[in-house]
Amino acid sequence: KQEVTQIPAALSVPEGENLVLNCSFTDSAIYNLQWFRQDPGKGLTSLLLIQSSQREQTSGRLNASLDKSSGRSTLYIAASQPGDSATYLCAVEDGSARQLTFGSGTQLTVLP
Amino acid sequence: ETGVTQTPRHLVMGMTNKKSLKCEQHLGHNAMYWYKQSAKKPLELMFVYSLEERVENNSVPSRFSPECPNSSHLFLHLHTLQPEDSALYLCASSQDLGANVLTFGAGSRLTVL
Repeated sequence: KQEVTQIPAALSVPEGENLVLNCSFTDSAIYNLQWFRQDPGKGLTSLLLIQSSQREQTSGRLNASLDKSSGRSTLYIAASQPGDSATYLCAVEDGSARQLTFGSGTQLTVLP
Repeated sequence: ETGVTQTPRHLVMGMTNKKSLKCEQHLGHNAMYWYKQSAKKPLELMFVYSLEERVENNSVPSRFSPECPNSSHLFLHLHTLQPEDSALYLCASSQDLGANVLTFGAGSRLTVL
């Protein structure tokens, strides 16, 4: 059974810092990996989707990488801003079940 | 607005009540999903519908009953729930099953007394 782990569970940084969020998964037979953002009391917003054949995806100040063989992904946020404060969730789509398995998320606080 | 609308946003119910959660999308998507998000736990997939047919039921108790009358609407009927069922229930849709970006609603916060 696929398991997704996100470390750290919470992170607090001063504004302007570059930061990295980590995601690991146990079964490397995945179709894709997605990073989502969730604001308090809200639903999830998809940030980046990396297909299993890709190594990275970029959107603005966000860059996500995927190393399928080692079961790892990172989300890099450049020049963090207070508006980036949210919970970031990683999810992998399993090769067999074609379902998303989510991690528990990293709660990010960017201090002004 | 994300394109997926959930009502009600908040619901408080007793263990003997019957209520329903509603999800609506006008994105032209063919797949719709119900997820449960409990405090400090990963999202759990509950039900998946593709073209109005249920394709997945992840061992969800029968006190949760989904209904998909058409490709734009998804319901979750609730009856005789337990306090541990209190959670945020999220609806999502995607163009098709698999390898697609999910669009989530804002969720329905359910409290069972």
